[in-house]
Amino acid sequence: DIQMTQSPSTLSASVGDRVTITCRASQSISNWLAWYQQKAGKAPKLLIYKASSLESGVPSRFSGSGSGTEFTLTISSLQPDDFASYYCQQYNSNWTFGQGTKVEIK
Amino acid sequence: EVQLLESGGGLVQPGGSLRLSCAASGFTFTNNAMSWVRQAPGKGLEWVSGISGGGGTTYYADSVKGRFTISRDNSKNTLYLQMNTLRAEDTAVYYCAKDRAYSGSYWDYWGQGTLVTVSS
Repeated sequence: DIQMTQSPSTLSASVGDRVTITCRASQSISNWLAWYQQKAGKAPKLLIYKASSLESGVPSRFSGSGSGTEFTLTISSLQPDDFASYYCQQYNSNWTFGQGTKVEIK
Repeated sequence: EVQLLESGGGLVQPGGSLRLSCAASGFTFTNNAMSWVRQAPGKGLEWVSGISGGGGTTYYADSVKGRFTISRDNSKNTLYLQMNTLRAEDTAVYYCAKDRAYSGSYWDYWGQGTLVTVSS
């Protein structure tokens, strides 16, 4: 099974900050990676697919990069609506999530 | 507008059974794979099971293999998850999720979730 390791688990940041979350796969997954945002008590929302493709309707301050085993999600200028948890997910072989990153207000 | 509406959650004793349903609308149901994903209280997301658009291929996480069965009725636009021999560690919110493709990709729409509590 492919394991996904996400870091950090918690991130404290201020509005306007540039934020980066990292996700590592235990083996190469090419670019079969998605990122989701989840707010408390709500279902996850798709942000990025195929490692770097922005889902329709998602603000352009969100971007994804990477391939193989190393991936990043970047929020270029953190907005109040962005305080949430973020999960990476591989879909190269079945599906596996990272442990999640909670973005908190500093 | 795509809508996914889960139902069937509730309180069940350890060793018991429960069947979850997910009613889909707003898209051609048979064209898309579907999955169940769960989230234990205060924990992260865990993929549980998936099924191809036609229903001919199914996938299970090791944690539920042999206990859970995924199925779909494309004539009713409904996804199911039959859960048997339930354990305390199966307690979670269960989400159904729509795959963007016929089989095996990422999920572009999610239901609101249904809570399953396994406790005596």
